Amino acid sequence: KQEVTQIPAALSVPEGENLVLNCSFTDSAIYNLQWFRQDPGKGLTSLLLIQSSQREQTSGRLNASLDKSSGRSTLYIAASQPGDSATYLCAVRNAGNNRKLIWGLGTSLAVNP
Amino acid sequence: DAGVTQSPTHLIKTRGQQVTLRCSPISGHKSVSWYQQVLGQGPQFIFQYYEKEERGRGNFPDRFSARQFPNYSSELNVNALLLGDSALYLCASSFRSDQNEQFFGPGTRLTVL
Repeated sequence: KQEVTQIPAALSVPEGENLVLNCSFTDSAIYNLQWFRQDPGKGLTSLLLIQSSQREQTSGRLNASLDKSSGRSTLYIAASQPGDSATYLCAVRNAGNNRKLIWGLGTSLAVNP
Repeated sequence: DAGVTQSPTHLIKTRGQQVTLRCSPISGHKSVSWYQQVLGQGPQFIFQYYEKEERGRGNFPDRFSARQFPNYSSELNVNALLLGDSALYLCASSFRSDQNEQFFGPGTRLTVL
């Protein structure tokens, strides 16, 4: 059974810092992995999608990497800004017929001015 | 282009009542999935519909039902509401049935008193 864990659960950093959010999963047979951002009480915004055959994806100040063999993904945020404050969720889609998303609990990020 | 839209944004019901939530996918998307997100948790998969057929069902009781219309919009119905049904209900759409990349709506916040 696929399980997704995100560490740390919460993170507080000063503005301008580069930071790394971690996501680990127990079953390496994945179809893809997706990082989302969620503002308090709001829906989810897709940030980056990494297919199982890919190693990383980049969008602006965000870079996500995927290491299937070790069951890990990282989300790197460069030059953090107060507007980056949100909860960041990692979700894994299993390979095979049952391709539902398995979610982590998220990392709550606060970037302080 | 409009993203995924959901209505209503907020809803307050009492125990035992019934509720209907609505979702319109991104234009051209044929797959709609429903998720329940309890505060502090990751989203939990409820249903997926593709081309008006149910393609997946999560571990939810029969009080939860859904359908998809010819225009690909969808409704989620919950009968005999319980306090524990209070959550953010998220709708996601994707172009393909395998839900390769999902785009989420803003959610409907349901409070059961």
